Amino acid sequence: EAQVTQNPRYLITVTGKKLTVTCSQNMNHEYMSWYRQDPGLGLRQIYYSMNVEVTDKGDVPEGYKVSRKEKRNFPLILESPSPNQTSLYFCASSLSREETQYFGPGTRLLVL
Amino acid sequence: GQSLEQPSEVTAVEGAIVQINCTYQTSGFYGLSWYQQHDGGAPTFLSYNALDGLEETGRFSSFLSRSDSYGYLLLQELQMKDSASYFCAAVSGSARQLTFGSGTQLTVLP
Repeated sequence: EAQVTQNPRYLITVTGKKLTVTCSQNMNHEYMSWYRQDPGLGLRQIYYSMNVEVTDKGDVPEGYKVSRKEKRNFPLILESPSPNQTSLYFCASSLSREETQYFGPGTRLLVL
Repeated sequence: GQSLEQPSEVTAVEGAIVQINCTYQTSGFYGLSWYQQHDGGAPTFLSYNALDGLEETGRFSSFLSRSDSYGYLLLQELQMKDSASYFCAAVSGSARQLTFGSGTQLTVLP
């Protein structure tokens, strides 16, 4: 089944404790991105990647890192999480830049 | 910067027709997408307009006017399962980034 998977789905952590949210797609998509969703603000792009080893900042990249060592994986790294990073995070992928984006199920993060 | 405006809430009854408007201000605009999101779920793609005019997909249609920086999503024969949030998203820039509006919560009443 074609899908985008994210892990973990739910995470509670404390300020400053590094964490990684994994994202994987099995559709051989080139384009992957991360979004955060906060009430009243819609989805805001954090980082995106147009292919392996090619990543770029989205609208709200501060406090986040990403890597794209393999086509299928695009992990989101929070080196030192803070409470303002409490949010719902979505990973998405598409065949190319112009194509429909397919979203993962989301990761709900709470930073205490 | 990029910005999109859409109504925060819309309510309609089963069987009715509803239109969700979206105005945008973006540079390097390529097209307008629409996504649906049910509570607790992931956004799912509904439609994409790169050219002016109406695109129809079943009960859903989407319209774009590039000269007016305006688009809308039209939902016909509303069903209870259409209760969800609907987001317009502008595709722009050389990287074809998606910039989302803040979403419209549609409530369908029996």
